[in-house]
Amino acid sequence: NAGVMQNPRHLVRRRGQEARLRCSPMKGHSHVYWYRQLPEEGLKFMVYLQKENIIDESGMPKERFSAEFPKEGPSILRIQQVVRGDSAAYFCASSPGLRDNEQFFGPGTRLTVL
Amino acid sequence: AQRVTQPEKLLSVFKGAPVELKCNYSYSGSPELFWYVQYSRQRLQLLLRHISRESIKGFTADLNKGETSFHLKKPFAQEEDSAMYYCAPYRLNRDDKIIFGKGTRLHILP
Repeated sequence: NAGVMQNPRHLVRRRGQEARLRCSPMKGHSHVYWYRQLPEEGLKFMVYLQKENIIDESGMPKERFSAEFPKEGPSILRIQQVVRGDSAAYFCASSPGLRDNEQFFGPGTRLTVL
Repeated sequence: AQRVTQPEKLLSVFKGAPVELKCNYSYSGSPELFWYVQYSRQRLQLLLRHISRESIKGFTADLNKGETSFHLKKPFAQEEDSAMYYCAPYRLNRDDKIIFGKGTRLHILP
């Protein structure tokens, strides 16, 4: 089992561009979580998804940010019209489901907005 | 409101000295408590959870419900313990996100 995969590991965007971050959960995991880590800050929850459903998006900024976890393929965190304040490390975690909710983390994507 | 506090941003300890990383939480219901660790250039990983009552890499953590604390301890620090440590209350078997503390960077001095 390769573990949680995230790509790209580093992403550079100019202000106003779009950023797409991908997360492939561990095999057999149907729950995906996205977290953001700003410089000098801890990890902050953004969104929790199950296949084709958003369960909790209480940590997502109201505008420009969206997430999906389609039936096939990776989970995508999309940031439109990026601004400098979006520069951060974005971590994805996956878990197998309700009975065992230990979350396994990916290596993260470091987004830099110029 | 659910909240977790790690009062120390940075903790420097000499090798061989005892380590205590503090964590206090405010959480409705009865959460499970986790400690996650992130070593340099590695992904975040679970260090231990209180329900298992196990010692991982010499670390233990006791849940004190009266003080709502879950401090992480190790009697003798080792250089390889240098890392970022996050305390996280969580509710197993619920659709709950993890609430992470801001983390404490542990620096072991030679």
